[in-house]
Amino acid sequence: DAKTTQPPSMDCAEGRAANLPCNHSTISGNEYVYWYRQIHSQGPQYIIHGLKNNETNEMASLIITEDRKSSTLILPHATLRDTAVYYCIVGTNAGKSTFGDGTTLTVKP
Amino acid sequence: ETGVTQTPRHLVMGMTNKKSLKCEQHLGHNAMYWYKQSAKKPLELMFVYSLEERVENNSVPSRFSPECPNSSHLFLHLHTLQPEDSALYLCASSQVRPSTEAFFGQGTRLTVV
Repeated sequence: DAKTTQPPSMDCAEGRAANLPCNHSTISGNEYVYWYRQIHSQGPQYIIHGLKNNETNEMASLIITEDRKSSTLILPHATLRDTAVYYCIVGTNAGKSTFGDGTTLTVKP
Repeated sequence: ETGVTQTPRHLVMGMTNKKSLKCEQHLGHNAMYWYKQSAKKPLELMFVYSLEERVENNSVPSRFSPECPNSSHLFLHLHTLQPEDSALYLCASSQVRPSTEAFFGQGTRLTVV
């Protein structure tokens, strides 16, 4: 599975959009980009995933660059409850993919 | 609630004890996983079961023994653990097909004393 690079931490003001970047320059053609988040001491929560098209669901939007070497997770209106560690992983099956250190997002009032 | 339930949520055990962690999924999935998350470390994939067969064992010591009696249940049997085995143990499930997402349980916080 391809490895990913994420900034270790980010801050965001409550009510503003949170844009979390991820680099995955060695991604293969059949590998998907998955995003999860983990609130302290809980299990990771699935957010969204995509192959090459942008995706949107009730939680977030996923923007994947045309060359697929990077992506951005967008939380359109961040709340304090969105404070968590966000993981970007790539692979053909999320259950078998490698989790890195993720980005700690802190939403501030 | 993700449809993946782990019990117990917390467990304290001595190094000579034998205990088991249980995971149950109500999602109709046919693949299940055990992960370990130590303090300030990334999640480590321990075992993968696909269609009730163990397909991956990522160099996990034999004091951890998984069991998958059917597609809905997964156990992790523990014996003669060490203090460094204290961690959050997470179970996940998914379908056996490309592109599928995995859903995680809330984990068992294990402390070995």
